[in-house]
Amino acid sequence: DGGITQSPKYLFRKEGQNVTLSCEQNLNHDAMYWYRQDPGQGLRLIYYSQIVNDFQKGDIAEGYSVSREKKESFPLTVTSAQKNPTAFYLCASSLRTASGANVLTFGAGSRLTVL
Amino acid sequence: QKEVEQNSGPLSVPEGAIASLNCTYSDRGSQSFFWYRQYSGKSPELIMSIYSNGDKEDGRFTAQLNKASQYVSLLIRDSQPSDSATYLCALTSGSARQLTFGSGTQLTVLP
Repeated sequence: DGGITQSPKYLFRKEGQNVTLSCEQNLNHDAMYWYRQDPGQGLRLIYYSQIVNDFQKGDIAEGYSVSREKKESFPLTVTSAQKNPTAFYLCASSLRTASGANVLTFGAGSRLTVL
Repeated sequence: QKEVEQNSGPLSVPEGAIASLNCTYSDRGSQSFFWYRQYSGKSPELIMSIYSNGDKEDGRFTAQLNKASQYVSLLIRDSQPSDSATYLCALTSGSARQLTFGSGTQLTVLP
């Protein structure tokens, strides 16, 4: 079955540590995205990538880094520079429809907690 | 002013009633509109998309778009307890390909 796989599902980090969240898709989608969700809030865009070896900052990129070396993979690193990293992280990919709109498919999410 | 505004709720309706969820947006250039459903602790799933003014129906769901008034709504007919979730409004505008999300409305359908 096609889909998006995020790992790990739960992750605990000590302050000062970098952590990397994995996102893999087998949908053959060109575009991939990382969102952050805090309790009671909507999704905020961290980074997105339209094609391999290219990515752009979203609204809240500070303290995060990404890479896009393969079409299927878009890992997110939460660095020690991110002051409040505890959140639910969602990876998505998109298919451009005939109308030109991007329809997102989401992974199951990774919940990061800083101890 | 937030780009996408939703009442956070919670909105409670009895089973079998119509649930009405509303979303307003600030960018008149917005072109594509989506409603996502998110169960607690889960990822969002797309339930409706709408691109032109008017109504779009899919089963028990109807999306309504009014670009002149800058609002989009979602009606859920014959609400079921399984519809209890947070509903997120999202849109794309201008040349941007990424979605902008509202903060969501929490819906509870009471048995």
